[in-house]
Amino acid sequence: EAQVTQNPRYLITVTGKKLTVTCSQNMNHEYMSWYRQDPGLGLRQIYYSMNVEVTDKGDVPEGYKVSRKEKRNFPLILESPSPNQTSLYFCASSGASGGYNEQFFGPGTRLTVL
Amino acid sequence: GENVEQHPSTLSVQEGDSAVIKCTYSDSASNYFPWYKQELGKRPQLIIDIRSNVGEKKDQRIAVTLNKTAKHFSLHITETQPEDSAVYFCAASQGSNYKLTFGKGTLLTVNP
Repeated sequence: EAQVTQNPRYLITVTGKKLTVTCSQNMNHEYMSWYRQDPGLGLRQIYYSMNVEVTDKGDVPEGYKVSRKEKRNFPLILESPSPNQTSLYFCASSGASGGYNEQFFGPGTRLTVL
Repeated sequence: GENVEQHPSTLSVQEGDSAVIKCTYSDSASNYFPWYKQELGKRPQLIIDIRSNVGEKKDQRIAVTLNKTAKHFSLHITETQPEDSAVYFCAASQGSNYKLTFGKGTLLTVNP
């Protein structure tokens, strides 16, 4: 089944404790992206990647890191999480660089930073 | 960068009525405008999209219109049903594999 997976789905952590949220897609998509969703603010892009080893900042990249060593994986790293990073996070992927293809979203990761 | 404004933020209609959600964008280079539906507790899913070379696109009860001159686009849902209740997001980009900027969303409630 074609899909985007994220792990973990729920995470409660404490300020300053490094964490990684994994994202994987099995559709051989070139493009992957991370968003955070907060009430009243919609979906805001954190980072995106056009292909392996190519990443770029979105609208709200502060406090986050990403890497794209393999085409299928795009982990989101919070080196020192803070309470203002409490949010719902979505990974998404899309195929065929330069095309107009649908972005497929993962199921979301609900992160709480205490 | 691109800025997408979406209105209204909430919309309540009676079953069978039509619903219209409007978005404006700022970057004249944007040429791809998708609409996503997000049901409660679920992920956003594409329901319809339009490219800048067409002015209107329809899929059953859903239609999207685009006015490039005015830089606005709208989602029209006819004969609304309770299962249409969800948050709807508009977005804009220079092709789907470029940075996608979302509006803040519209909570649509369809009352039986």
